[in-house]
Amino acid sequence: DVKVTQSSRYLVKRTGEKVFLECVQDMDHENMFWYRQDPGLGLRLIYFSYDVKMKEKGDIPEGYSVSREKKERFSLILESASTNQTSMYLCASSTGTQYFGPGTRLLVL
Amino acid sequence: EDQVTQSPEALRLQEGESSSLNCSYTVSGLRGLFWYRQDPGKGPEFLFTLYSAGEEKEKERLKATLTKKESFLHITAPKPEDSATYLCAVRDLYDKVIFGPGTSLSVIP
Repeated sequence: DVKVTQSSRYLVKRTGEKVFLECVQDMDHENMFWYRQDPGLGLRLIYFSYDVKMKEKGDIPEGYSVSREKKERFSLILESASTNQTSMYLCASSTGTQYFGPGTRLLVL
Repeated sequence: EDQVTQSPEALRLQEGESSSLNCSYTVSGLRGLFWYRQDPGKGPEFLFTLYSAGEEKEKERLKATLTKKESFLHITAPKPEDSATYLCAVRDLYDKVIFGPGTSLSVIP
């Protein structure tokens, strides 16, 4: 079975803090994705990566950056957290079908 | 522009009352249609991938079907544990994945 893990289930941060969300997959997938999910807005793609060291902007990249130093690990970085980044963050990995992690619910105060 | 819509937005069923969820899509070159189940506060759980019109897949009380413009998720004799949000997604010719807004299903004992 594909396993995608995320570093935290719940996270509380203050405005202006730098936030790191980590995602690890164990299936040797090339492709990894970061989404945020908000009520009424559905899943929105932030960034994705098709290979190590490679990254592409999704639909809403502003305020975020990513890092992919190893194939199995894809990190999402909030350079300076703001209250409008309070959300559920979901990581996925894929070879065609996307498999999701459990999600990180981030609250920015 | 690629688009995925789902109906109804919410559905309440009595236990044992069979029904169907609809996913309608407009996409440039369908390379896969996906169904996921999402429980509150958790990441989406993969259910099915369908690739071509006429294809069907089954898992327990769930059956997914695909036509050229829509997919149905049929739920036969649902149980309360089937209560969840069901998400539909499509992958287009350029490997972009577009998610629908989801259908929230409640099965009442």
